Amino acid sequence: GAVVSQHPSWVICKSGTSVKIECRSLDFQATTMFWYRQFPKQSLMLMATSNEGSKATYEQGVEKDKFLINHASLTLSTLTVTSAHPEDSSFYICSATDRGPFETQYFGPGTRLLVL
Amino acid sequence: EDKVVQSPLSLVVHEGDTVTLNCSYEVTNFRSLLWYKQEKKAPTFLFMLTSSGIEKKSGRLSSILDKKELFSILNITATQTGDSAIYLCAVRVQGGSEKLVFGKGTKLTVNP
Repeated sequence: GAVVSQHPSWVICKSGTSVKIECRSLDFQATTMFWYRQFPKQSLMLMATSNEGSKATYEQGVEKDKFLINHASLTLSTLTVTSAHPEDSSFYICSATDRGPFETQYFGPGTRLLVL
Repeated sequence: EDKVVQSPLSLVVHEGDTVTLNCSYEVTNFRSLLWYKQEKKAPTFLFMLTSSGIEKKSGRLSSILDKKELFSILNITATQTGDSAIYLCAVRVQGGSEKLVFGKGTKLTVNP
């Protein structure tokens, strides 16, 4: 089946630093990749949608200058949390959609970010 | 605003019990409804439903969609401790980019 990987799986950083998270589709080409954030005991919240070669579409309330998304190829998207602060600590999950008729979303394993 | 509501938020049962999880939605441009199981990490896909009244089944899990009443249920029969997880319902809405709108999930705990 389709596999999506994320790297790193967890990261601890100091406040003010930037953190880059990679999302890769390993055995399929992803037409679209999505980035979600999940706070403890809450549901997944969509942050942004990215299509290869074009600018990401951000959901309302998500700062695009803070959460930089680059979708350079059909198998790789990156999310950079710039100048991270403790309130950015969360579980970040990406998903990728294949080109099949049902465009199923396959989720990566997630990246846990802790900003001190 | 698109909305997906799941109930109950939390459920504790004993092994062998049957459970029914509910998901109702109010969205524009409905495309499909999906169920996911989330344990420690990212959600894993269970079912995708697009048509009313057609039951999807996988082992002890089954799900059905009612597009007239705007809800879906997920049934788990003969529950096992391994079924303990958060079950997420998501609706795919059609738009510029087809995104998933998630409910808050139902936390299921199955005790031995």
